[in-house]
Amino acid sequence: SQQGEEDPQALSIQEGENATMNCSYKTSINNLQWYRQNSGRGLVHLILIRSNEREKHSGRLRVTLDTSKKSSSLLITASRAADTASYFCATDRPSGYSTLTFGKGTMLLVSP
Amino acid sequence: EAQVTQNPRYLITVTGKKLTVTCSQNMNHEYMSWYRQDPGLGLRQIYYSMNVEVTDKGDVPEGYKVSRKEKRNFPLILESPSPNQTSLYFCASRSPSGTEAFFGQGTRLTVV
Repeated sequence: SQQGEEDPQALSIQEGENATMNCSYKTSINNLQWYRQNSGRGLVHLILIRSNEREKHSGRLRVTLDTSKKSSSLLITASRAADTASYFCATDRPSGYSTLTFGKGTMLLVSP
Repeated sequence: EAQVTQNPRYLITVTGKKLTVTCSQNMNHEYMSWYRQDPGLGLRQIYYSMNVEVTDKGDVPEGYKVSRKEKRNFPLILESPSPNQTSLYFCASRSPSGTEAFFGQGTRLTVV
């Protein structure tokens, strides 16, 4: 079953603007990860935030996590055309096995 | 270079003709998974494996088989493919819980 749900489904912005994507999930987690997918290609890991962390930065990426609301956000600052891709959140549940559960993704279009 | 390799990248086949999609990783990861990606549905897990000879069903296992005889390989088998298995398939591997997953480049399968 899908654990994470991204919002919005699609986002269109101009180069230089910031892009914010949100993810909501249903059950408790060990960590939450964000991935990027360029058109039909394999997913690439962007950033991981653990359940005891509230905010994390990596380059132009900023991720927040609110475990009380079961939600996370991914902010891409100063977007570039090359950021055009689909972005997925994935949750890692604290169960006896380890399996990542993905949402349906946000499609980001950055226009020059 | 750390990588997950899937083959073939593209495959068109006919209903009922058995096929195997191979997946190999060179990172000595314990965990491997298969996902399918369909428009509007995101990534859904088919099967996963926690180690050699240990496999389990994901969210959409019907019509698929897997095996894990060696740590590096995790083939996906469609014994009798049907048109509803037309999809984009991804193999992924990762170390135990809390780390990123590495994805293959995908296999686009069409069943006619």
